[in-house]
Parts: sequence; C-alpha cells; structure tokens
Amino acid sequence: DAKTTQPPSMDCAEGRAANLPCNHSTISGNEYVYWYRQIHSQGPQYIIHGLKNNETNEMASLIITEDRKSSTLILPHATLRDTAVYYCIVRVAEGAQKLVFGQGTRLTINP
Amino acid sequence: GAVVSQHPSRVICKSGTSVKIECRSLDFQATTMFWYRQFPKQSLMLMATSNEGSKATYEQGVEKDKFLINHASLTLSTLTVTSAHPEDSSFYICSARAIYGYTFGSGTRLTVV
Repeated sequence: DAKTTQPPSMDCAEGRAANLPCNHSTISGNEYVYWYRQIHSQGPQYIIHGLKNNETNEMASLIITEDRKSSTLILPHATLRDTAVYYCIVRVAEGAQKLVFGQGTRLTINP
Repeated sequence: GAVVSQHPSRVICKSGTSVKIECRSLDFQATTMFWYRQFPKQSLMLMATSNEGSKATYEQGVEKDKFLINHASLTLSTLTVTSAHPEDSSFYICSARAIYGYTFGSGTRLTVV
C-alpha cells in the first residue's frame, strides 16, 4: 500500500472548518483514499473514502487533487468532539488486506 | 450496521497469567479480522491477521506463541495473551472488513501488574 504523509498536529477553532491534508504521491490507480479518526481510548472510526472524485457525507468532505497525489479532509463546522487523531490511509478496495496506519494528525479543536 | 463488539473493555491481570480478548462481528460475517496493539501516544500497530478456519498470519516481530489467535467462526475471533508481563500492557483493538471499509472494536485496555 502507498505511504501517506500527514502533519503531526493541527489546531482549529470551534465552529470553523478544519482542513486536514494528506500527501500520497505514490498512490496507484486502483488505490482508494480512506480517512479514519480515533478519539482518545476508543477504536478508530470510519469517516469517508474516495477514489478520484470528491466525496461528501454527513461527517465530512474529501477533496482529492486531479493527479490524486494528495487529498484534504474537511470537517465543515468543527466541534470539540472532533478532537481526535485523524488517519489518512491509501489501499485497494477489494479483498480483505490489512489496513496499515501511519502516525496521523492530532487535531485539537479549541473553544 | 457493521458493528464489531470487543470484550472486555478493560482488564487487569497478574504477571504470568493469561488473558483472552474477544472480538465479535454483530451483524455481518467476517472471514478475516485484524488485531492491533497501541502504546500510549503511538499509532496502531498491526499484530496479526485472523482467518476463519485457518491459522493466523502474524506480523514480523510478533510472537505467535505468546499472542494466540483463534477464529473459529465467521463472527468471533479471540486473542489470548499468554504468560502476560508488564510490557504487554497496552491497548488492543480488533477490526473486521465491512462493506465500505473496516470497522473497529472499541478496544481493550490491558494492564499487567
């Protein structure tokens, strides 16, 4: 699976949009971009995933660049409960291959 | 849907004893489950891949005789930490493949005293 690079930490004010970047310059054509987050002392939670088109769901939006070498997860109106470590992972969608986590971005939402 | 239940959430055991952690897929069948370990302020580290009806596949450096994995049914995988020592104290998390991706258990905090 392709390696990803994320900033180790970010801060965002409550109510503002949180934009979390991820670089995945070696992504292959059949690899998707997945985002998970882990709130302290809990298991990771799925947020969103995409291949090449931008995606939106009730939690977040995912913007993938045209060359697919980077992406941005957007939390439109961050709340204190969004404080967590956010992981960007790229991998193929088929099969049940293992999911490998990098170091992620520790996002802190400030009141 | 796609819920994974992990039990217990916390366990304290004495050094030298064994501890079993259960991971159940509640509303779907999981032929493959994954076990992770996470130390404080670190990322999740994959320990092993659990395959229903066959032997687990362990990651490099993980002792298969110490971390026994059993995946006897399509909805249950267990991880047994044998002869636990204080250095095995960690947060253990299981995961299973669901339709859209992977779903995770809530984790087990193991403390060996």
